[in-house]
Amino acid sequence: GENVEQHPSTLSVQEGDSAVIKCTYSDSASNYFPWYKQELGKRPQLIIDIRSNVGEKKDQRIAVTLNKTAKHFSLHITETQPEDSAVYFCAATGNTGGFKTIFGAGTRLFVKA
Amino acid sequence: NAGVMQNPRHLVRRRGQEARLRCSPMKGHSHVYWYRQLPEEGLKFMVYLQKENIIDESGMPKERFSAEFPKEGPSILRIQQVVRGDSAAYFCASSETNSNEKLFFGSGTQLSVL
Repeated sequence: GENVEQHPSTLSVQEGDSAVIKCTYSDSASNYFPWYKQELGKRPQLIIDIRSNVGEKKDQRIAVTLNKTAKHFSLHITETQPEDSAVYFCAATGNTGGFKTIFGAGTRLFVKA
Repeated sequence: NAGVMQNPRHLVRRRGQEARLRCSPMKGHSHVYWYRQLPEEGLKFMVYLQKENIIDESGMPKERFSAEFPKEGPSILRIQQVVRGDSAAYFCASSETNSNEKLFFGSGTQLSVL
């Protein structure tokens, strides 16, 4: 089955700096890669996603890149702000076993003011 | 359009009791997924259901756990004879299509087993 590895587990940056979170997946049939943000005590919320036929996608300060050959994908947050502090989860979805979405273990991002 | 609704928000049970967690998907969504989250950990897939059908239950323990999504009413995750290790946050998500894209999560049920 699919396995998603996420690094780092904790990331601390200064306000205004960039943050990068990296994930790898194991199932080459995976074709959809969402990123979720979870603030303390709240539900995970989709912030950006990318499909396997696209190499990069950007939405304001957030961008995702996908390298299908290497089975890597990354989240980039530029000009970080304190409200970006949260846990970020990458995920991979494929049609192996019925379109399950498998999540990485999460990255706890701290943005210091 | 109300989001995914889960109840109760908090549930306390003693060892050996039953826990029933409810999830109403977003309007127009017929695909429901249950995930379990332990403190400081990620979301672990448990089960994927469509109306009246279990599509994938590969992440759900074979014993004591069951799930349903009837034609009418919410999806139910049932845990029988709970043990302390069942304590966790249980999140439900729904999607519009069977492609598993764009999951919308509920607020979760925090289960505490005493």
